[in-house]
This record gives sequence, C-alpha cells and structure tokens, in this order.
Amino acid sequence: QKEVEQNSGPLSVPEGAIASLNCTYSDRVSQSFFWYRQYSGKSPELIMSIYSNGDKEDGRFTAQLNKASQYVSLLIRDSQPSDSATYLCAVINFNKFYFGSGTKLNVKP
Amino acid sequence: EAQVTQNPRYLITVTGKKLTVTCSQNMNHEYMSWYRQDPGLGLRQIYYSMNVEVTDKGDVPEGYKVSRKEKRNFPLILESPSPNQTSLYFCASSLALTDTQYFGPGTRLTVL
Repeated sequence: QKEVEQNSGPLSVPEGAIASLNCTYSDRVSQSFFWYRQYSGKSPELIMSIYSNGDKEDGRFTAQLNKASQYVSLLIRDSQPSDSATYLCAVINFNKFYFGSGTKLNVKP
Repeated sequence: EAQVTQNPRYLITVTGKKLTVTCSQNMNHEYMSWYRQDPGLGLRQIYYSMNVEVTDKGDVPEGYKVSRKEKRNFPLILESPSPNQTSLYFCASSLALTDTQYFGPGTRLTVL
C-alpha cells in the first residue's frame, strides 16, 4: 500500500467553479501535510501546509484535514485557467517526505 | 536571489560511469533532500539531510550516495548508474523539516 494516494485525474472544471482535490494517507502517525502545485515542465511549489484537524484557508485555497479518516483535501474556489497544473499531496513520517502521484487539474475557460 | 541550484540540468550517460549531480542553496537551510520523479510514481525521496554531516535514507536510496560536508551543498552521487535510474531529479531545501520546501530546477538524467 502506498503511503499517499491520489486520483491521477485529469479533473476538469469550468472557470469560476470549485475544484476539489483529495488525498488519503496510510500511516496514522503522520502529523504534517502539504499541497504542492507543479506546472508542466516546472518544479513543485508549496501552496499550503496543514497540521491540525479542520480547515485552513489562504486566499482562494482551503486545505481540509481529517486525521480520523486519514484524509486531506484541497479546495480551489473561483478556479482560473492559471490553476491548471498537477497538484501533489505530501506527508511527513519520521523526517521523511512521502508524495502522492499527483492529480492533474484542467480549468476550462 | 534566494534559490536552489542544480547542475547539470541535462545529462546523458552510459551504464556504470560514475556521475555527480550538484545541489546548492543560498538560504542557510538546515533540511535538504533529493527526489526522483517518474511518470505515475510521483516524487520519491532518495536521501535527506537534517543538517551538516547528518544524512539518512529516504524511500528509494538504492544505487545512490550523498554527502553533506557544508550546509549549502548536498551532492547526489551515482557510482554505477543503471538504466532504471533514468529519471527527473529534484533537489530541495527548507529551513527546518516542516517549513516551506524550495525545489531546484531539476536534472533530467538518461542512462543508456
């Protein structure tokens, strides 16, 4: 079983809609969770980190963490074509990073 | 400019010929990592370093070596590259483990 699982997509949403990206993780000891965005041919960049249960909002982005269900999600409100990218979920276990394989998001104008 | 640099950016080599990919950061970061990215497998951590002279294996360390003699540099060494090490490699650094991780531009390695 992989440490971090994501649906590879692609997830297609119209411009202005809410995009919902999901991630599950296998190890209950995981304490730190991250969402990275990677444009095609570029390096990953951090969008959000979340450490405690509940929601964390930053502009159009909201990260949600449910440790009981071992589930992390990222909501993108008012999606823009510039949000089209691959979104990577990551967790830390014992000083090591584990990434999901990423969900490709397409935002259609 | 705060950045993580990697060299070379592209490399084609042959099986068994030792190579080193350099990584350097100018942000005085403690934590540094090497990752490989393969289609469908995402990013996988090869090695990481919590600080100078402190390195440890990540998820896929076989066939790789690293060293951390100075805080800013974290080279990745492939002593006997094989075709299954053909991949896109990223170096990354952060101030501490849970801080924002900054990635280098990537090194595309092909082993024939």
